[in-house]
Amino acid sequence: EAAVTQSPRSKVAVTGGKVTLSCHQTNNHDYMYWYRQDTGHGLRLIHYSYVADSTEKGDIPDGYKASRPSQENFSLILELASLSQTAVYFCASSGTEQFFGPGTRLTVL
Amino acid sequence: GDSVTQTEGLVTLTKGLPVMLNCTYQTTYSPFLFWYVQHLNEAPKLLLKSSTDNKRTEHQGFYATLHKSSSSFHLQKSSVQLSDSALYFCALSHNTNTGKLTFGDGTVLTVKP
Repeated sequence: EAAVTQSPRSKVAVTGGKVTLSCHQTNNHDYMYWYRQDTGHGLRLIHYSYVADSTEKGDIPDGYKASRPSQENFSLILELASLSQTAVYFCASSGTEQFFGPGTRLTVL
Repeated sequence: GDSVTQTEGLVTLTKGLPVMLNCTYQTTYSPFLFWYVQHLNEAPKLLLKSSTDNKRTEHQGFYATLHKSSSSFHLQKSSVQLSDSALYFCALSHNTNTGKLTFGDGTVLTVKP
C-alpha cells in the first residue's frame, strides 16, 4: 500500500518560534499536499506541489511556507508560529487517489 | 469557487439501523466526488469515489450515487455497526488523478450498542 510518513507526530512550539513539519512519500506520486484540520472543521488546503522545487498556494496559505526539495519530500514551514496555528496537520500524496499521512499534532503556546 | 456542504455535524444511531449522511456540492467544473472516513487519531482514508452521474458506487457496505441534477452525493449504509463510528468527509475535485480536494466540514457518526 502507498505510504506517507510525517515527522514529528506531535510538537509543542512557542509563539514566534519557527516550526518545520516534514513529509515523506514512497508512492512515486508527483502531487503532494499539506492540510490543516481544526476541531469541528474539515481539512483545509495550505500548500501543494506537483513537481520538485515548485510549490503552489492552497486555500489558506497565509503564515505558512512550503518546500519540495525532491519528489519524495515536502515540508511545511511556520516562520513565526502563532496561537491560531494550533491544529493537526496532514500531508498527502496523490496518484489516482489521495493517500494521507498519520498527521502531526501541533500545539503553539 | 468550489464548495461542499455536509448538513449534519453529528449523527448518533443504534447498531443495525440505516444511515444517510448528506453531501451537496457547488462547482462550475465536471465533478469528482469522494467520501473519506477518519477513525479516531487516524488519517483519513478513501471510502468511495465517483464521477459518473446516476451510478451507484459501493465499498465496505457503504454506497453512494452521484446525482449531478441535484449536486448531491449522499452516503448510505443499510445497517450500521459499532466499528462505523468515525468522522466522515465528503470531498470534491476537478481531476481524479491530480486535482486538489475541497472538503466539507465532516459528519461525526456515533453508533451505540
